[in-house]
Amino acid sequence: DAGITQSPRHKVTETGTPVTLRCHQTENHRYMYWYRQDPGHGLRLIHYSYGVKDTDKGEVSDGYSVSRSKTEDFLLTLESATSSQTSVYFCAISEHMEGQPQHFGDGTRLSIL
Amino acid sequence: RKEVEQDPGPFNVPEGATVAFNCTYSNSASQSFFWYRQDCRKEPKLLMSVYSSGNEDGRFTAQLNRASQYISLLIRDSKLSDSATYLCVVNGGAGKSTFGDGTTLTVKP
Repeated sequence: DAGITQSPRHKVTETGTPVTLRCHQTENHRYMYWYRQDPGHGLRLIHYSYGVKDTDKGEVSDGYSVSRSKTEDFLLTLESATSSQTSVYFCAISEHMEGQPQHFGDGTRLSIL
Repeated sequence: RKEVEQDPGPFNVPEGATVAFNCTYSNSASQSFFWYRQDCRKEPKLLMSVYSSGNEDGRFTAQLNRASQYISLLIRDSKLSDSATYLCVVNGGAGKSTFGDGTTLTVKP
């Protein structure tokens, strides 16, 4: 399995609090992605990164920010969590953006009360 | 209309059956295609890439029809362990991946 670690695996927090999810990879892959998965919507891209300090928005980026200060770490931050951000969050990595499959971490289950 | 569409199912089949899933995509510039498998409450895992000439991996066969813009996955001799949700993934221009919502398969004894 690809060396991808997401932390925390589970989190319950309250509306209005900041939340940071971490994705750590040991594969030295250039590309990293954050998705959320909700019933009826499948996997939707939040943000992605194509290198250190290089990031771009995905389909559902509102309310989220990301940072990538090192190749191996990609952080997803909810500045002020809302109940609509309750979801399962997956990090993925790929060696190349074009033509290569992505490999996923185990996911983070986030509940915003 | 969604960029990638799959029949959500569920498909309920007996062990040993052959089952096929289709996935249509709208972006004719799409360049690469994959099938993933996702078990309940787990991460998606790559099942196989899909090549223009079609490709096979054991009991699994994937096909791509660029003219009609669909990909397919055929599973022969279904096993109980094949029960899962199958996601098709299309990489369009600029490298963005679009995931279908998945097709649920249940294989019964």
